[in-house]
Amino acid sequence: DQQVKQNSPSLSVQEGRISILNCDYTNSMFDYFLWYKKYPAEGPTFLISISSIKDKNEDGRFTVFLNKSAKHLSLHIVPSQPGDSAVYFCAASALGSARQLTFGSGTQLTVLP
Amino acid sequence: DTGVSQNPRHKITKRGQNVTFRCDPISEHNRLYWYRQTLGQGPEFLTYFQNEAQLEKSRLLSDRFSAERPKGSFSTLEIQRTEQGDSAMYLCASSLGTRGPGNTIYFGEGSWLTVV
Repeated sequence: DQQVKQNSPSLSVQEGRISILNCDYTNSMFDYFLWYKKYPAEGPTFLISISSIKDKNEDGRFTVFLNKSAKHLSLHIVPSQPGDSAVYFCAASALGSARQLTFGSGTQLTVLP
Repeated sequence: DTGVSQNPRHKITKRGQNVTFRCDPISEHNRLYWYRQTLGQGPEFLTYFQNEAQLEKSRLLSDRFSAERPKGSFSTLEIQRTEQGDSAMYLCASSLGTRGPGNTIYFGEGSWLTVV
């Protein structure tokens, strides 16, 4: 049972345009959501997070939106840059689970120059 | 560099051999995690430590796997009698261990295991 789903395995975007990566979850106990960026042969790098008490969090070019009723979150990157090309993982944690993370399967973002 | 450190970064071993990976977490972090990642999948939780106590283990962690964190600082993950299915990237991560939703987990660069 996949509790965190990233239904788009890949996304291509032109440099300077907006990248929107989506993530859905099924476990209503999740209250903290994170996005990680991963290059090949490296560990995931923390990007941005959001608590369930918020619906938006912004950090520079990165904004995460949370829609609790739809159990959906998205990561917006504006403007997209070629260096953003990587695999992006959505992850979630719940109280009482040692705050361990449940990950989606990732979306490969390619930003075309 | 004060991030999570893992070694070795790459290990090729013959089936049936034992391997050990080491992780040094961020110094002030009391919670340490081990994850495993295979191609095309997100990382999967294996186990975690609160200081030196191993408090949770995933069903993915078979009897051939053992993890320790003897002094609440570095940790080791040992795989005995390796099988080809053990080939994966083993990721160590650490966090401050807050109960609240702000518990961000930081990952190391991973240790690649190839079992031939």
